[in-house]
Amino acid sequence: DGGITQSPKYLFRKEGQNVTLSCEQNLNHDAMYWYRQDPGQGLRLIYYSQIVNDFQKGDIAEGYSVSREKKESFPLTVTSAQKNPTAFYLCASSTPGGANYGYTFGSGTRLTVV
Amino acid sequence: QKEVEQNSGPLSVPEGAIASLNCTYSDRGSQSFFWYRQYSGKSPELIMSIYSNGDKEDGRFTAQLNKASQYVSLLIRDSQPSDSATYLCAVNSGGSNYKLTFGKGTLLTVNP
Repeated sequence: DGGITQSPKYLFRKEGQNVTLSCEQNLNHDAMYWYRQDPGQGLRLIYYSQIVNDFQKGDIAEGYSVSREKKESFPLTVTSAQKNPTAFYLCASSTPGGANYGYTFGSGTRLTVV
Repeated sequence: QKEVEQNSGPLSVPEGAIASLNCTYSDRGSQSFFWYRQYSGKSPELIMSIYSNGDKEDGRFTAQLNKASQYVSLLIRDSQPSDSATYLCAVNSGGSNYKLTFGKGTLLTVNP
């Protein structure tokens, strides 16, 4: 079955440590997205990518980095520069013109700073 | 910054009643509107999309859009306890065909 796989489901980060969240899709979608969700808050866009080897900053890109070397994969690195990384991270994908048709979401990664 | 506003709730309705969820948006250029359902601790699931003024029905769900008033709503008929979740309104934003802006969501509780 086609879908989006995020791993790990839970991740713990120590202060000053970089961590990478994985996102893989087999939907043959061109566009991929990373959102962050805090308790009681909506989804805020971190980065998005419309095609391989290209990506754009979203509304809260500071302290995060991404790469898009393959169509299927869009990993997110949470760097030590991100001072408040504890949140629920959601990866999504869409067909071209994705906002016209909605997104498909992965199951999410819950990141906690310890 | 384009905004999408929703009442945070919680909205509490008895089983079998109609639940009405509302959303307003600030970008007059928005063309695509979506409702997602999110159970606690889970990821959002697309339940309705609407693109034209008027009503769109799918089973117990009806989405309503009024672009002049910049208003979109979701009605859930014959509400069930399994409908208890947070409902997120999403709108394409800033003239982009790719970016969706999400509201903060409305928590719906259906009481048996």
